[in-house]
Amino acid sequence: QVQLVESGGGVVQPGRSLRLSCEASGVIISDYGMHWVRQAPGKGLEWVAGIWYDGSQKYYADSVKGRCTISRDNSRKRLYLEMNNLRAEDTAVYFCARDQSSSGDDGMDVWGQGTTVTVSS
Amino acid sequence: QSALTQPPSASGSAGQSVTISCTGTSSDIGGYDYVSWYQHHPGKAPKLLIFEVSARPSGVPDRFSGSKSGNTASLTVSGLQAEDEADYYCSSFAGTNIPYVFGTGTKVTVL
Repeated sequence: QVQLVESGGGVVQPGRSLRLSCEASGVIISDYGMHWVRQAPGKGLEWVAGIWYDGSQKYYADSVKGRCTISRDNSRKRLYLEMNNLRAEDTAVYFCARDQSSSGDDGMDVWGQGTTVTVSS
Repeated sequence: QSALTQPPSASGSAGQSVTISCTGTSSDIGGYDYVSWYQHHPGKAPKLLIFEVSARPSGVPDRFSGSKSGNTASLTVSGLQAEDEADYYCSSFAGTNIPYVFGTGTKVTVL
């Protein structure tokens, strides 16, 4: 079964940190770029961060730059998003997604179901 | 990184067609042929419908088609079916450091 499964979401206080994980099952991710995309309550999709197939290049949306770090462990088939200094506006469902290209710019063809992050005091 | 502009809603009767526009700038849609479209049923994983403006991944029906003119991309859904009722998002490459900028999203209703 082809799937990406996110974990690590939860309720966290403003200013704290959280690490999201995405595990691949039945799908190869080592040859492909990977991304995190989020959807705040009642809002649309927002690209958050992306990483090349080998981890050599990483990109971030302005809204999270300096506060988030994307990484991957291809040997474990996992993608990560370390989120620091969390803000209320980071509250969202976070999806991981596989790109069709190695550099990560050609459409995201495999998606997880998402993990929910709620930032609240 | 401004979001691409989509109409909030669109609708059509079953069997008819609906076209969704996605307007950007010369720095995103107008500058590259890397426009993709996604279907999202709330609570589920988004699904890739179109990539590289008009290409369809295997398994996506040819009822879904994409095009681009200048800074505006479009998705047409022909032969509307009940299961097409969902949110639709466009996205575009916007430069080396911004592989994706999404549209504001369009809710499609099948009447």
